Amino acid sequence: QKEVEQNSGPLSVPEGAIASLNCTYSDRGSQSFFWYRQYSGKSPELIMFIYSNGDKEDGRFTAQLNKASQYVSLLIRDSQPSDSATYLCAALKGYYGGSQGNLIFGKGTKLSVKP
Amino acid sequence: GAVVSQHPSRVICKSGTSVKIECRSLDFQATTMFWYRQFPKQSLMLMATSNEGSKATYEQGVEKDKFLINHASLTLSTLTVTSAHPEDSSFYICSATWGDSSYNEQFFGPGTRLTVL
Repeated sequence: QKEVEQNSGPLSVPEGAIASLNCTYSDRGSQSFFWYRQYSGKSPELIMFIYSNGDKEDGRFTAQLNKASQYVSLLIRDSQPSDSATYLCAALKGYYGGSQGNLIFGKGTKLSVKP
Repeated sequence: GAVVSQHPSRVICKSGTSVKIECRSLDFQATTMFWYRQFPKQSLMLMATSNEGSKATYEQGVEKDKFLINHASLTLSTLTVTSAHPEDSSFYICSATWGDSSYNEQFFGPGTRLTVL
């Protein structure tokens, strides 16, 4: 079982609609979760992170975390064509001794927002 | 936000040569830098984690003698792909972070596209 799983898509939504992206993780020890957006040929850019159960909103984006179900989601309201990209879910795998923990990425979901 | 640069952005080399990729944190001191590799239509796979002044920690399956990582200062880490072969062609991305919170943000560089002929 992959540690972080996402539906690869593509997910196609019309402009102005809500896009819903989902992610599940296998390691119950994971504490924090991140959503990144990656345009083709570019490196990922952070959209938001969440570490408490429930919802976290930032502008048009809402992240949801359910630790009991090991489920993370990202909602994008009022989707725009410029939101078309691959969305990567990542789980922070805890600490390495005194240094930082590392991110485990899913394969990403490709989102296409049609004008 | 914090800025991380990579150089070069794109490199094409012949099989058997070595290629060095630089990762710099421009406006902060990075206690930890990460190196990732991404093949087409695949996710980012962590190759190694490096802390300034100490040896890098490599992920399982990553050859440390082939992928040499040097984190000589708090603003610079280098990845050298030694004796590169076509199967090493990939998108190499570094990230950098500081602090020790449980929700640290990694700042990603723009990536280096390596093509080995």
